[in-house]
Amino acid sequence: DIQMTQTPSSMPASLGERVTISCRASQGISNYLNWYQQKPDGTIKPLIYYTSNLQSGVPSRFSGSGSGTDYSLTISSLEPEDFAMYYCQQYDSSPPTFGGGTKLELK
Amino acid sequence: QVNLLQSGAALVKPGASVKLSCKASGYTFTDYYIHWVKQSHGKSLEWIGYINPNSGYTNYNEKFKSKATLTVDKSTNTAYMELSRLTSEDSATYYCTRYYSSYTYNWFAYWGQGTLVTVSS
Repeated sequence: DIQMTQTPSSMPASLGERVTISCRASQGISNYLNWYQQKPDGTIKPLIYYTSNLQSGVPSRFSGSGSGTDYSLTISSLEPEDFAMYYCQQYDSSPPTFGGGTKLELK
Repeated sequence: QVNLLQSGAALVKPGASVKLSCKASGYTFTDYYIHWVKQSHGKSLEWIGYINPNSGYTNYNEKFKSKATLTVDKSTNTAYMELSRLTSEDSATYYCTRYYSSYTYNWFAYWGQGTLVTVSS
């Protein structure tokens, strides 16, 4: 199975701050990388697909980039509703696997 | 609008089985695969497997092959996952999710609210 390593596991940040979450795959995944957001009530929603494509309705302050084994999610200016858990997920090979998650916390 | 409504929390005894449900609405049930994902408390997400609601074909993560059984009832647009021989390791929140799949783009597009399973005597 492809292992996905997210860093950091938690990140204190302030409103308006720019933050970047990293995701590293144990082997190249050819940009087959998605990002999800999970709110404290457990609700999960997709944010970005195929490395850099924003899901419909997701604010433009979210962006994704990367290639090969290294990928990242950037939020350009944090809003109150952005404080949540974030997961990367690869679908280059089965089984699809998720990163360990990054908890974005209010500083 | 697409909605996946999962069954309520379950408290089950070790060694028993439990059957979770996921009722789909807002789209043609047989057009999209349903996947199941496990989230142990405070931990990340693990893919369990999927079912094709049209054919009933299933595909499982090797880790869950002897643990989970996926089925559907097309008459009620409901997907089910039965977990057998439960242990404390199976205590977790389980999500059903509708998959979007194209040649290049694939993702878990819609998620249920999750079902908490607690295994305890």
